Amino acid sequence: NAGVMQNPRHLVRRRGQEARLRCSPMKGHSHVYWYRQLPEEGLKFMVYLQKENIIDESGMPKERFSAEFPKEGPSILRIQQVVRGDSAAYFCASSPGRGYEQYFGPGTRLTVT
Amino acid sequence: EDKVVQSPLSLVVHEGDTVTLNCSYEVTNFRSLLWYKQEKKAPTFLFMLTSSGIEKKSGRLSSILDKKELFSILNITATQTGDSAIYLCVFLAGFGNEKLTFGTGTRLTIIP
Repeated sequence: NAGVMQNPRHLVRRRGQEARLRCSPMKGHSHVYWYRQLPEEGLKFMVYLQKENIIDESGMPKERFSAEFPKEGPSILRIQQVVRGDSAAYFCASSPGRGYEQYFGPGTRLTVT
Repeated sequence: EDKVVQSPLSLVVHEGDTVTLNCSYEVTNFRSLLWYKQEKKAPTFLFMLTSSGIEKKSGRLSSILDKKELFSILNITATQTGDSAIYLCVFLAGFGNEKLTFGTGTRLTIIP
């Protein structure tokens, strides 16, 4: 049973470009969560999605960030017009339902130059 | 604001020692407490605790929750160098709020 998959593992973008991060949940999991870990800080919740629905985006910056989890395909976290402060590790997690433990992917390390 | 505090922040022990990691919490709507291990990559799930006083065990690791005193401990016996990692205590709130709130973490280093 493959775990949570994320790609790319490393992404370098120049200021002003767009970053697209992908997450495929574990088989049988329909709940996806995105977390961000800034350098030397803990993981912070960004957004929680179920298929085709955003359930909770209370941790997501209001501008430039968006997330989706379409009926087919991976969940996508999109950051438009990246700035240096967006440099971080972005982790995706999945669970089979509400109230269950979440399993994390290997993360995407975004570097903005 | 929900708060999860871990102690110690850092711990260095010799291989074979037993360690106890602490986690206390102040949260408004408790559902579960989880422990994760984070090496240089994604957090790996260890335990999920919902009920007080019931020990969960996996090999050399065990954990217990005290909902009255609002704390949990993670024990690791006969430590090995592969146990070196950051151990995260994580809170999951009540229904309608699925986000995990992470504690500060305890950085454990095992010296051979």
